[in-house]
Amino acid sequence: NAGVTQTPKFQVLKTGQSMTLQCAQDMNHNSMYWYRQDPGMGLRLIYYSASEGTTDKGEVPNGYNVSRLNKREFSLRLESAAPSQTSVYFCASSETGSGGEKLFFGSGTQLSVL
Amino acid sequence: DQQVKQNSPSLSVQEGRISILNCDYTNSMFDYFLWYKKYPAEGPTFLISISSIKDKNEDGRFTVFLNKSAKHLSLHIVPSQPGDSAVYFCAASGISNFGNEKLTFGTGTRLTIIP
Repeated sequence: NAGVTQTPKFQVLKTGQSMTLQCAQDMNHNSMYWYRQDPGMGLRLIYYSASEGTTDKGEVPNGYNVSRLNKREFSLRLESAAPSQTSVYFCASSETGSGGEKLFFGSGTQLSVL
Repeated sequence: DQQVKQNSPSLSVQEGRISILNCDYTNSMFDYFLWYKKYPAEGPTFLISISSIKDKNEDGRFTVFLNKSAKHLSLHIVPSQPGDSAVYFCAASGISNFGNEKLTFGTGTRLTIIP
């Protein structure tokens, strides 16, 4: 069981470059999420998709765009990377997105923007 | 404005003893609380949860206590084992300041179990 798969695991960008973080889940979950983890800040929600075809902003959406390509895949795009976007990014999924439901996380992408 | 707070960045406990991790929250609209465990270079994994209508939930060595009047919850691990060494995140679900019901995470507590 792969669960939630994220690619790449590591990435170094220069300021102004663009890139897309890929995420796929094989659990037939409806809801998917992108979080970032920064020291002393915990995990903060960037964007989420309650179901295929819908996306909504989370706590820290500025500088990011997302695409829910199909039920399995949810990508996060940085159009013009900034040093403030240096972080560890986690994709997650849950069955229905209802309150209190547990999330399943990928192993993360460590991104450095120079 | 940190709605979910874990005031202890780190905690060291002797193997076999009880580990107590604490979490405070400010938003009275939260109705579910969850604990996640994270090992280095891995994603967080779900550990245990509690609904706001309960004050205790137990799963093996792990027990979560909720004190709604104090807006405080705690995770007890008994007995503590070396494999419990990890970062523990408290999370809350409910209407947040951002108008959605998604999880709000605390900053985490690094637990180290000393053999």
